[in-house]
Amino acid sequence: DAGVIQSPRHEVTEMGQEVTLRCKPISGHDYLFWYRQTMMRGLELLIYFNNNVPIDDSGMPEDRFSAKMPNASFSTLKIQPSEPRDSAVYFCASSFADHTSTDTQYFGPGTRLTVL
Amino acid sequence: QKEVEQDPGPLSVPEGAIVSLNCTYSNSAFQYFMWYRQYSRKGPELLMYTYSSGNKEDGRFTAQVDKSSKYISLFIRDSQPSDSATYLCAMSRTDKLIFGTGTRLQVFP
Repeated sequence: DAGVIQSPRHEVTEMGQEVTLRCKPISGHDYLFWYRQTMMRGLELLIYFNNNVPIDDSGMPEDRFSAKMPNASFSTLKIQPSEPRDSAVYFCASSFADHTSTDTQYFGPGTRLTVL
Repeated sequence: QKEVEQDPGPLSVPEGAIVSLNCTYSNSAFQYFMWYRQYSRKGPELLMYTYSSGNKEDGRFTAQVDKSSKYISLFIRDSQPSDSATYLCAMSRTDKLIFGTGTRLQVFP
C-alpha cells in the first residue's frame, strides 16, 4: 500500500479564496482523521470519520471549515473563505480504530497551506 | 494552562549521547501515553505507547510514565544522526487525544 496520500502538498492562496485539500486513506482503514499543525498550537484534531460518517467535528474551528467523505477512499477538507490565520500544515490520517485507542494512526505527508 | 506541556527545544546532542525528552500533563484522566516521531516535511509516525506507570523498552528507546507526578519521558540511547526529528508526546482519554507541541532534536556526528 502507498500509505495515506494527500494533495496538494503545497497550496498558496489569497485571503478569501476557497481551498480544498484531498486525502486518500489506506485501504481497509475504517477511520479517517483531519489534523492541523501549527507552531503555537501543535497538532490538533479537526474532525474524524468512521465508515465515511462524520463522528466528531468539535475541533473544526468555525463554519468556514467543512469536511466530507463521499466514499471509503476519498475525503476532502474545504476552507471557504480562507484567512491568513488558516496557514498551517494539514494532515490526514487513517486507522483501524478511533484516535483514543492505541491502534496506530498512519499520517499522510501533509498539505502546507499559506494564505496571503 | 495547556493540558499537555512539552519543551519545544531545540535539543542538540552529539552522536552516541543519551537523550531525554519529557512532557507534563494536568489531567489525571489520560489513559494511554504515546510518542510520535516526525521528520521534517513528513507526517508523524507512532514510536511507542504505554498505559501504565513504569518503563517500556523497544530497542534504543525507553518510554517512562510517572502518573503520580503526571510526567512522561522518552529516552534514546546511543543516539544517531538519523534520530534527528521532532518528537511529539500524545495522551488519550476516553474522548480525546491531545498532542504536545513537539521537541526538536538534532543529533550531530
